[in-house]
Amino acid sequence: QQQVKQSPQSLIVQKGGISIINCAYENTAFDYFPWYQQFPGKGPALLIAIRPDVSEKKEGRFTISFNKSAKQFSLHIMDSQPGDSATYFCAAGGSNYQLIWGAGTKLIIKP
Amino acid sequence: DSGVTQTPKHLITATGQRVTLRCSPRSGDLSVYWYQQSLDQGLQFLIQYYNGEERAKGNILERFSAQQFPDLHSELNLSSLELGDSALYFCASSVGGLAGGHGETQYFGPGTRLLVL
Repeated sequence: QQQVKQSPQSLIVQKGGISIINCAYENTAFDYFPWYQQFPGKGPALLIAIRPDVSEKKEGRFTISFNKSAKQFSLHIMDSQPGDSATYFCAAGGSNYQLIWGAGTKLIIKP
Repeated sequence: DSGVTQTPKHLITATGQRVTLRCSPRSGDLSVYWYQQSLDQGLQFLIQYYNGEERAKGNILERFSAQQFPDLHSELNLSSLELGDSALYFCASSVGGLAGGHGETQYFGPGTRLLVL
């Protein structure tokens, strides 16, 4: 089965710092790369998504960077806040493919 | 609130038993997905239904089955339960029916926490 490798497993960042989470995929046919955010006791919710026709997508403090040749994409959270503390999942999918999920990154923002 | 509802919220049962988890999708969504999230693990896709028909299958055990009813609600049946089946089970929904929900936002419910003793 195709895998999406996500790192790090956990991350502690000071308030105001930049949080960076990385994902790598295998299948070059994948063309949809979403990030989901999950707070404790809640289901995941879509945060931001990118398609490979662009190398970067920004929404507020959240940015996805995409490197097609390396088959990698990453989530950057600028000016990280305690309210950003959550588990973040990357995923990858394509036509006729199930969405493949990364293992998740538990992010803690220290005040 | 995603608009996806799941019942029950918590379920405690014994090994060998059978349970049914229920999900109601967002209004207008035709696809329902089931996921398993074990402790400290990611989301494992189990199965997708679209408008009553099975659309995609993931790592779903033979002891597990699902269906989607004409009113679009879905049920996940787990039988011959084992300790290792203890997990959070999420249901998600989306508007369309592309396999795996490609390119579509999936809206997750709050989950059912299953504990098998």
